[in-house]
Amino acid sequence: AQTVTQSQPEMSVQEAETVTLSCTYDTSESDYYLFWYKQPPSRQMILVIRQEAYKQQNATENRFSVNFQKAAKSFSLKISDSQLGDAAMYFCAGAQGGSEKLVFGKGTKLTVNP
Amino acid sequence: DAGITQSPRYKITETGRQVTLMCHQTWSHSYMFWYRQDLGHGLRLIYYSAAADITDKGEVPDGYVVSRSKTENFPLTLESATRSQTSVYFCASRGTGRGTPTQYFGPGTRLLVL
Repeated sequence: AQTVTQSQPEMSVQEAETVTLSCTYDTSESDYYLFWYKQPPSRQMILVIRQEAYKQQNATENRFSVNFQKAAKSFSLKISDSQLGDAAMYFCAGAQGGSEKLVFGKGTKLTVNP
Repeated sequence: DAGITQSPRYKITETGRQVTLMCHQTWSHSYMFWYRQDLGHGLRLIYYSAAADITDKGEVPDGYVVSRSKTENFPLTLESATRSQTSVYFCASRGTGRGTPTQYFGPGTRLLVL
């Protein structure tokens, strides 16, 4: 079984500052993928970033980067230079390699203050 | 490139009525998924399909029926709607193979059961 835990129901950040959202992913498998999805008020689920467990290098997409600590089962998302458009729900999700199923955390609501 | 679409986007129905939510993707993805999103639960998998005529249950399948006669379509039917099925429903798809684990989501259907 796999579990995804997001322990921060809400976070806030000042515009242009940096914020880190936390996630832990527990699985007995060694082959898995981790994702961060963003859900703005429009409710569209948008892929932010993806990390393959076998890769040692942390994934980066422009202002978004992850800190993947495999032994600690930690997969945090760092947003640099926060913008008003970053305000959204952020969901962490995991999928075991070869499995069809994506398991989601309960989400973190991010507020960006001007 | 339409991607993945859902219809209707909003639906109000009454308890006991049959409702069908439509999902259509233009990527020829093998896998398709139905999720429901409720406050406090994140996204939960209802049903998924690995290919045409192949479907399987997810975490919360009770009260729902799916079919997949064509690769591009994956309708979800609530045979006798109940108030507990009031939710936002998301369809998603992904390609085949271990290297394509990313799921892409439709815009969602907001369903209210009175």
